[in-house]
Amino acid sequence: DTAVSQTPKYLVTQMGNDKSIKCEQNLGHDTMYWYKQDSKKFLKIMFSYNNKELIINETVPNRFSPKSPDKAHLNLHINSLELGDSAVYFCASSQGRDGNQPQHFGDGTRLSIL
Amino acid sequence: GDSVTQMEGPVTLSEEAFLTINCTYTATGYPSLFWYVQYPGEGLQLLLKATKADDKGSNKGFEATYRKETTSFHLEKGSVQVSDSAVYFCALYYSGYALNFGKGTSLLVTP
Repeated sequence: DTAVSQTPKYLVTQMGNDKSIKCEQNLGHDTMYWYKQDSKKFLKIMFSYNNKELIINETVPNRFSPKSPDKAHLNLHINSLELGDSAVYFCASSQGRDGNQPQHFGDGTRLSIL
Repeated sequence: GDSVTQMEGPVTLSEEAFLTINCTYTATGYPSLFWYVQYPGEGLQLLLKATKADDKGSNKGFEATYRKETTSFHLEKGSVQVSDSAVYFCALYYSGYALNFGKGTSLLVTP
């Protein structure tokens, strides 16, 4: 029944490693997003995909690479993890590129870099 | 660019007190405005929205009115409950097809 699900919920790893976070939505939406929430709760858009096509790529290091195999999935791969990558990453989805439609968020993936 | 500014927290209130969380926006046009709520350990949930000037969004006793003249979208509730303790985010939807969030306001309601 979960609308937007992310895995894993927690991810603890060492600096320099490569890791992936998966996101799936069963709402039939065609637009998906990745947001980063820092330790002060500040949320910032990282990427947005519409119909598997990249729409937004904010100033995110190229160590972060999103992949959208289909409209229901948007995964995030991170290479060479750094201490500053520690944060909570949220996946979200919405229908269309109409700003009137609300976004539905997953519960987040808490990434901790040792 | 388009952005929102909301009051700093944390805000601590007693149960049944009146709540106001201020939010102002800067935008070149008239973006849709939203309030999202984040309960501890959870993702964000849409609380209410307004898509044009003078619209009032409401949900679960919370209200906010889209005011073009003051570029504001303040969140209000007449009587808060302990269960309202959460972080509240004001946001606008900008032309890049994503939400631009304020920094969040933490609310703690005590019995």
